[in-house]
Amino acid sequence: DTAVSQTPKYLVTQMGNDKSIKCEQNLGHDTMYWYKQDSKKFLKIMFSYNNKELIINETVPNRFSPKSPDKAHLNLHINSLELGDSAVYFCASSQNRGYTEAFFGQGTRLTVV
Amino acid sequence: AQKVTQAQTEISVVEKEDVTLDCVYETRDTTYYLFWYKQPPSGELVFLIRRNSFDEQNEISGRYSWNFQKSTSSFNFTITASQVVDSAVYFCALSEAQRGNTPLVFGKGTRLSVIA
Repeated sequence: DTAVSQTPKYLVTQMGNDKSIKCEQNLGHDTMYWYKQDSKKFLKIMFSYNNKELIINETVPNRFSPKSPDKAHLNLHINSLELGDSAVYFCASSQNRGYTEAFFGQGTRLTVV
Repeated sequence: AQKVTQAQTEISVVEKEDVTLDCVYETRDTTYYLFWYKQPPSGELVFLIRRNSFDEQNEISGRYSWNFQKSTSSFNFTITASQVVDSAVYFCALSEAQRGNTPLVFGKGTRLSVIA
């Protein structure tokens, strides 16, 4: 069983479109994250949710809206996609203790054309 | 503010050589956690190790070993007798646990190429 799964794995779309990426974890973790990896492989936190509640929003444009229907799911919706949004987006989860490792999904490669 | 620096952008070694990946971190917290992740060409992020700030004991796992030194704020990773399958981007990361469930702050990664 996949611990953290995100769909789709690849997403190609035109500028201006709206798209969503879904993430689910079956590890029973309390905290979920979205990270963005740019073309230079730099990984940066976007959002962090704990038990469905947003706890971190790292200066992300408000075109990005995370939604957590329950603590096992954290979806990412992106409005009015721009070329600069092209990146790999990783979902992750961890126990709510701050010292445990995060488990990552396989990533979603978003290409905006 | 927390920061992780991986000064080596790319390293290339011949198979069976030993290689050390450097990681230097900055934090104001006294309690923190350090991690290494591997990202192979297939793209997934694979957890390798976690170390807390109170445990400076070095760790060895097969061909992998980690050297944590608080005095120099470093958490270096050595691969002994490297293999082609070790080719990947390796990330060092930091979490400041005292602020609750903080996300990982990653270094920029070191791309390791092991040549047969």
